Amino acid sequence: GQQLNQSPQSMFIQEGEDVSMNCTSSSIFNTWLWYKQDPGEGPVLLIALYKAGELTSNGRLTAQFGITRKDSFLNISASIPSDVGIYFCAGDTSGTYKYIFGTGTRLKVLA
Amino acid sequence: DVKVTQSSRYLVKRTGEKVFLECVQDMDHENMFWYRQDPGLGLRLIYFSYDVKMKEKGDIPEGYSVSREKKERFSLILESASTNQTSMYLCASSSERQFTDTQYFGPGTRLTVL
Repeated sequence: GQQLNQSPQSMFIQEGEDVSMNCTSSSIFNTWLWYKQDPGEGPVLLIALYKAGELTSNGRLTAQFGITRKDSFLNISASIPSDVGIYFCAGDTSGTYKYIFGTGTRLKVLA
Repeated sequence: DVKVTQSSRYLVKRTGEKVFLECVQDMDHENMFWYRQDPGLGLRLIYFSYDVKMKEKGDIPEGYSVSREKKERFSLILESASTNQTSMYLCASSSERQFTDTQYFGPGTRLTVL
């Protein structure tokens, strides 16, 4: 099945740094979701975006729904060690409840 | 808070065995999903259900079947387990309150088929 292009695939950062990751698609999306997955656990929803141009924050996390509806980014400010994990984006193209998932960005934070 | 639970966190089965993975959600959600997650491939949709006794094939339904006899419970069945079905299996649910609502995931079942 179709997958989103998510980048970077992995990143090492120093504690306190800001982090940015993004997802792009050739399809127009109606909804963008961002999840975090800890090792051995299921993904946990971080932010949901429903409108083009929408900018939403959740604590130190900020995500935006791109104006073209084909991309989204997630920023994490002032990273801390517990931010370690895999971050996934997901998008819905047709409102059929069938989301397409990115392959994930693995984040490692160096204390 | 939405809670999605899966019957087992870890499961080891032998080739040819019939395997049942159970998922229960407590938020009266209409939609439920089964995914498998493999390194480098992301999440791939196996089956989903938008109502009791209703099911739709996802992207990779071969070798799997599902059952939804009650709204809160969605079961994934491997009729005859094979080694290539070793994977992390994730269940999710979502409501129909919004046209496209967010999906909430369970903790996952890591299945190993020997």
